[in-house]
Amino acid sequence: QVRLQEWGAGLLKPSETLSLTCSVYGGSFSSYFWNWIRQPPGKGLEWIGETDHTGSTNYNPSIESRATISVDKSKNQFSVKLKSVTAADTAVYYCARGRRLWGVRMYNWFDPWGQGTRVTVSS
Amino acid sequence: QSVLTQPPSVSGAPGQRVTISCTGSSSNIGANYDVHWYQQFPGRAPKLLVYGSTSRPSGVPDRFSGSRSGTSASLAITGLQTEDEADYYCQSFDSSLSTYVFGVGTKVTVL
Repeated sequence: QVRLQEWGAGLLKPSETLSLTCSVYGGSFSSYFWNWIRQPPGKGLEWIGETDHTGSTNYNPSIESRATISVDKSKNQFSVKLKSVTAADTAVYYCARGRRLWGVRMYNWFDPWGQGTRVTVSS
Repeated sequence: QSVLTQPPSVSGAPGQRVTISCTGSSSNIGANYDVHWYQQFPGRAPKLLVYGSTSRPSGVPDRFSGSRSGTSASLAITGLQTEDEADYYCQSFDSSLSTYVFGVGTKVTVL
């Protein structure tokens, strides 16, 4: 059974860089894409980006200029950095495994998810 | 504003059937891209409920069923139970935005 666990700094000041890591326990790390998704307080879900075990990435165009996703396959971990954060980046950040029908990106869903980690941006 | 539109809330009595709609456009659901559904309880991570528009992961009760037609999709809950009170999100891919997109979420209340 695959389990994901996120961790990182939970309180940031505006203009700082958000940095989170997700560890993957169990299952194959190299067969999937690995995702970051966030949820602002009381709001819906927003996909940030994904990586595979080779470091190939895709990003949400709305956040691509500030986000960097990297992978450490030796540790079955992947990370996200988001620079120049503002209060609008305050959210619960989830990591999740991407599963695809026929290996096609357009048919991707997320399962399982990590428990989430809360990040607050405040001066 | 999400590209996938869901009603903010739906409600029903125990045992009843409720449906949650997810309306998209020609660049997502209408492009024949699958819709996936997630259930989220307060303070918890989302959990996959339906994938590939109609398939259920093992362990998900068959009270939950998904469908897709044209530019819309639906999640039906039959035999509504009190433990079904949660937020439900649809998700697909949008080719115009080149990103995975979520609906705004629907809160299900059991009366």
